Amino acid sequence: DQQVKQNSPSLSVQEGRISILNCDYTNSMFDYFLWYKKYPAEGPTFLISISSIKDKNEDGRFTVFLNKSAKHLSLHIVPSQPGDSAVYFCAASARGSARQLTFGSGTQLTVLP
Amino acid sequence: DGGITQSPKYLFRKEGQNVTLSCEQNLNHDAMYWYRQDPGQGLRLIYYSQIVNDFQKGDIAEGYSVSREKKESFPLTVTSAQKNPTAFYLCASMISASSASGNTIYFGEGSWLTVV
Repeated sequence: DQQVKQNSPSLSVQEGRISILNCDYTNSMFDYFLWYKKYPAEGPTFLISISSIKDKNEDGRFTVFLNKSAKHLSLHIVPSQPGDSAVYFCAASARGSARQLTFGSGTQLTVLP
Repeated sequence: DGGITQSPKYLFRKEGQNVTLSCEQNLNHDAMYWYRQDPGQGLRLIYYSQIVNDFQKGDIAEGYSVSREKKESFPLTVTSAQKNPTAFYLCASMISASSASGNTIYFGEGSWLTVV
């Protein structure tokens, strides 16, 4: 039973446009959400996070939106750059579970020059 | 430089052998984790440790063992009982797993294990 789902395995956007990556979750105990960027054969790099007490968090070109009622979050990258091409993982954690992360299956973003 | 160091980067194992993957962190983090990634899939939790001398099984602990004798070290042994060990292994750490609010988990560069 996948508690964190990324339903789009891949996404292609033009350089300079907005990239929107989506993530859905089922466990209502999740209260902290993170996005990671990953290149092949490398460890994931932390991008941005959001607590369940917020609905938006922004850091430079990256913005994460959280809709708790829909159990949905999204990562917006604007403007998209070719260097953003990577696999993006959504992850969630809950209090009382050693804050272990539950990951989605990832979305391969390709930014076309 | 503070960080998480995994070694070796690439490891080949013969069937029936145990191998140990090293993970060291100098971030002074209390919590450490081991994840496994298979091609085209997300990361799955093998074991985690919230504090020295304590560790817990994750979702896919069968065929693996760990120890946490020092705060900075959390080695993972892949035993011969692990039926499908070929994968990319990631070690991670977090400052504290017991905080009321979430914290960021940081990852090492990963280790590729291939069974030959």
